Amino acid sequence: DAMVIQNPRYQVTQFGKPVTLSCSQTLNHNVMYWYQQKSSQAPKLLFHYYDKDFNNEADTPDNFQSRRPNTSFCFLDIRSPGLGDAAMYLCATSRGTLGGLTEAFFGQGTRLTVV
Amino acid sequence: AQSVSQHNHHVILSEAASLELGCNYSYGGTVNLFWYVQYPGQHLQLLLKYFSGDPLVKGIKGFEAEFIKSKFSFNLRKPSVQWSDTAEYFCAVHQGGYFGNEKLTFGTGTRLTIIP
Repeated sequence: DAMVIQNPRYQVTQFGKPVTLSCSQTLNHNVMYWYQQKSSQAPKLLFHYYDKDFNNEADTPDNFQSRRPNTSFCFLDIRSPGLGDAAMYLCATSRGTLGGLTEAFFGQGTRLTVV
Repeated sequence: AQSVSQHNHHVILSEAASLELGCNYSYGGTVNLFWYVQYPGQHLQLLLKYFSGDPLVKGIKGFEAEFIKSKFSFNLRKPSVQWSDTAEYFCAVHQGGYFGNEKLTFGTGTRLTIIP
């Protein structure tokens, strides 16, 4: 009964070769997030969508882009992956409301390896 | 900018021992507070959350946390841990109060190892 689904679970890409990670949700949540998590570190927010409004974190490299064609789907595009981009990428959703948000639901993540 | 501190990086306990993991945050306004757990090889799951009301909140699997506003803290506790509690625990804070700020900030995590 997975509610936030990430594909693929494992992705190997070549240095500099564009790669796309996908996320889908069945919760009809209006907020979707992409986090990067490196080993033994906290998840780091890359960007998020509130409905169709895109919110980029100030320190997210231009190499990372995102698309949200509809409520259910969100994509993370890495235009030219470097060795330092190897990490677990987490997608999450939540229901944003005035004054706050509900809990975030996470997918199982995509582990990206750059060779 | 808000920040979240978890001072215990790795905690090792024997089964049945009591647990307390610290979490402090920096934002002084309205906050929503969360503890997430990540079991080995699995995704982040919500343990418990605090939005308002009783500052002592109870979560799943016997965990509880206490929000102390004056100390900017939200420590996680469990009176008697089990081997199955071995996991990484993350405190997270949302700066609430208005539209357009749905950012959830995580602490660096505490790895908990329970020895049978």
